[in-house]
Amino acid sequence: AQSVAQPEDQVNVAEGNPLTVKCTYSVSGNPYLFWYVQYPNRGLQFLLKYITGDNLVKGSYGFEAEFNKSQTSFHLKKPSALVSDSALYFCAVRDFENQGGKLIFGQGTELSVKP
Amino acid sequence: AAGVIQSPRHLIKEKRETATLKCYPIPRHDTVYWYQQGPGQDPQFLISFYEKMQSDKGSIPDRFSAQQFSDYHSELNMSSLELGDSALYFCASSFQGGDSPLHFGNGTRLTVT
Repeated sequence: AQSVAQPEDQVNVAEGNPLTVKCTYSVSGNPYLFWYVQYPNRGLQFLLKYITGDNLVKGSYGFEAEFNKSQTSFHLKKPSALVSDSALYFCAVRDFENQGGKLIFGQGTELSVKP
Repeated sequence: AAGVIQSPRHLIKEKRETATLKCYPIPRHDTVYWYQQGPGQDPQFLISFYEKMQSDKGSIPDRFSAQQFSDYHSELNMSSLELGDSALYFCASSFQGGDSPLHFGNGTRLTVT
């Protein structure tokens, strides 16, 4: 079965500092990995995806993620954090075991960026 | 660009009542998904439809049912509501291909009292 794990419930960074939100995956076959962000009482917004190709994927709002096959990781990064980046971040994998390709989410990581 | 539309945004029901949530996917997307997100939880997959046929089923209670109509909108019907059904319910749509992200609506917040 496909799964992802986010080992940190919360990440705190100061504005202007680099941020990393961690994600590890366990999949059979090729991984289809995604990052989403959720603001309070809102839907999930797509940030970026890894399907194949370059291990460094660039996405929305200056975020990027590094796919590492040997470490089965897909960490989300940003060189310089903004207070407005404070939100809940979910790593996810698409599961095609049954038809439909649903997303399976990690537990989520609350990012707090302080001025 | 058009997004996924969900209605209503908020819904308050009493125990044992029924509720119907609606979802209008992005035009031309062929797959619709329903998710339930409890407080402080990650979204849990309930059910999906591909071209109006049920394609996958997750942790959806027998009290819940869903369908996708000829105009591609989908409805989640919830009966005999329980306090534990209080949650955010999200609909998402996508193309079924693996490289296509799911696009989520803003959700319906259901409160059961």
